[in-house]
Amino acid sequence: AQSVTQLGSHVSVSEGALVLLRCNYSSSVPPYLFWYVQYPNQGLQLLLKYTSAATLVKGINGFEAEFKKSETSFHLTKPSAHMSDAAEYFCAVSVWGKLQFGAGTQVVVTP
Amino acid sequence: GAGVSQSPSNKVTEKGKDVELRCDPISGHTALYWYRQSLGQGLEFLIYFQGNSAPDKSGLPSDRFSAERTGGSVSTLTIQRTQQEDSAVYLCASSSGLAGSTDTQYFGPGTRLTVL
Repeated sequence: AQSVTQLGSHVSVSEGALVLLRCNYSSSVPPYLFWYVQYPNQGLQLLLKYTSAATLVKGINGFEAEFKKSETSFHLTKPSAHMSDAAEYFCAVSVWGKLQFGAGTQVVVTP
Repeated sequence: GAGVSQSPSNKVTEKGKDVELRCDPISGHTALYWYRQSLGQGLEFLIYFQGNSAPDKSGLPSDRFSAERTGGSVSTLTIQRTQQEDSAVYLCASSSGLAGSTDTQYFGPGTRLTVL
């Protein structure tokens, strides 16, 4: 069975600091992985996705993620946090087209 | 263009009542999904429609839950005899259906259901 695990339910970062959100996957086959962001009282918005074309994936709003098969990881990073990055972030794996989500990581950005 | 829309945005109902939640997908998208987001269970898949194929109902939590998609467009999620544990945000998503498991799913803003 395919699944994802997000490490850390809450992350606090200073404005301008590195944002690092961790996601590990479990899959016996090459997975298709996604990162979504959810702002308060809104739906989910795609940040980026891994479809096996390239291991380093660049997304919107300055985010990127690297697929590391040896570590079964797909961590999300952004070099410099902005106040507008405060939101909840979800890692997901596509299982026959259906998304299976991690528990989410709430990001707080402090001035 | 217009995104996925859902109505109502909020619904408060009494335990035991039936509710209907509506989803309007992005025009031309053949795939439509329903998910549920709750504090205790996180984000869970409920049901998936793809074109004219039989829907994948594997995520529906009980037989009180059903969904239909008329004319390959609008979808309605129906919950019968609502229970307090049904309180959650119900999210709808659609995708083009062209890329299978790598399709990007576009989400609506959700319907917040509160069962008293």
